[in-house]
Formats: sequence, C-alpha cells, structure tokens
Amino acid sequence: NAGVTQTPKFRVLKTGQSMTLLCAQDMNHEYMYWYRQDPGMGLRLIHYSVGEGTTAKGEVPDGYNVSRLKKQNFLLGLESAAPSQTSVYFCASSPGWGVSSTGELFFGEGSRLTVL
Amino acid sequence: AQSVAQPEDQVNVAEGNPLTVKCTYSVSGNPYLFWYVQYPNRGLQFLLKYITGDNLVKGSYGFEAEFNKSQTSFHLKKPSALVSDSALYFCAVRDMNNAGNMLTFGGGTRLMVKP
Repeated sequence: NAGVTQTPKFRVLKTGQSMTLLCAQDMNHEYMYWYRQDPGMGLRLIHYSVGEGTTAKGEVPDGYNVSRLKKQNFLLGLESAAPSQTSVYFCASSPGWGVSSTGELFFGEGSRLTVL
Repeated sequence: AQSVAQPEDQVNVAEGNPLTVKCTYSVSGNPYLFWYVQYPNRGLQFLLKYITGDNLVKGSYGFEAEFNKSQTSFHLKKPSALVSDSALYFCAVRDMNNAGNMLTFGGGTRLMVKP
C-alpha cells in the first residue's frame, strides 16, 4: 500500500548542479502536485498537473521544471540549483474533482534538499 | 485568489484540556476547507474537510472543525488534548471554481500538548 512515493528522500547539491526529484503514485490519480515547505511559510505550490502530458505553473515556479510523461509519475527538475531552493519538497496527488472525489490531497513523505 | 491565515505560530495546551487552532480564509466563491497534520519528518496527513452541509465537521483522532461563513473561519478543535496530538497543523482552502483542485495552505501552527 505505497500511496505516494518520493525519491530521493535526502540530497545535498552544490550551487549550479542539477537534479531531478521523482514522485510516483499507485492510486491512479489524475492530478499531481509539487509543493515546497519552508519554515513559517507553509506549503507553496511549485507546479501541478491535471493529467498525463499536462503541466502548469503554481505560485513559485521559477527555477523548476516538471514533466508528466506517465500518469503515475511526476518529475520535478532543478536545472541550476541555488541556495534559495534549500527546502523540503512534497509531492501530492488527487483523484481530481468529480463525484468520486472528496477533494483532499494525498502526500508523500517529503524530500529534503540542501543546496550549498 | 484564495488565501489562508493561521494567526498563531504555536499553541500550548495541557493534556486533557480543550484545544483550538485558528484558521481564517479568503476565497472569491464558496470555499472547500481542509485540515492536515504533520508529524516530524513525515508528510501531511488529512484530518477533515468541509465541503457543504453541517457547519460542524468531525474528523480523525477526535478532531472537529467549525465552519463560520460570516467570520470566514474554520477553527480546529478537540475537547480533550493528548500528548500525542503534538504536531504541526495546516489549514488549507480551495475555491470551488478552482479546476486544478489546488489547495492553498496556511503557514502552519505548532501544537504542543504538555503532560
């Protein structure tokens, strides 16, 4: 009963390096999201996807790119990491909005990224 | 636009006493409101939600929340706090017209329950 799985759980990067965070969900959810969590600021939406092959910008998209090539996976990329991107990143999924959906998001355990 | 405010960074309560964690929101239409809890080094776990209907919503672990439209509030409550309730609590809102089902979260309130 995996739910939403994020890899890696921890990563340390040097400024300018690139990396990709992988999110996988096994609940056949249509919608997927990437949030970042910073102290006192709650969770802020980076990018989201409402279906395979679609992506859209959230509140803080700069410096990040995403791809949703398969329904179950949502990748978050940092092309040139900056210290301001030090954060905990959470992936979430949702069945979308319809009769069968109750609206809540299902979260992964988080990925802690440090950029030196 | 949609937004959420959690005015208290931390709430301290003694075990066995009632607790309240405050949340106010702003949306352009009717709100869908959620509470999540986060334990250390874990993801967010869903507690309860208000979509429509009864203003008092009951959720997991004995928590409940009261929707007050006139005050645009959705405070989280529990009649008797447990030490194990100590965690970070997030309120979230979604405008019913938000096609992407995107939730906007408050800054979080740390609940400390002391024995």
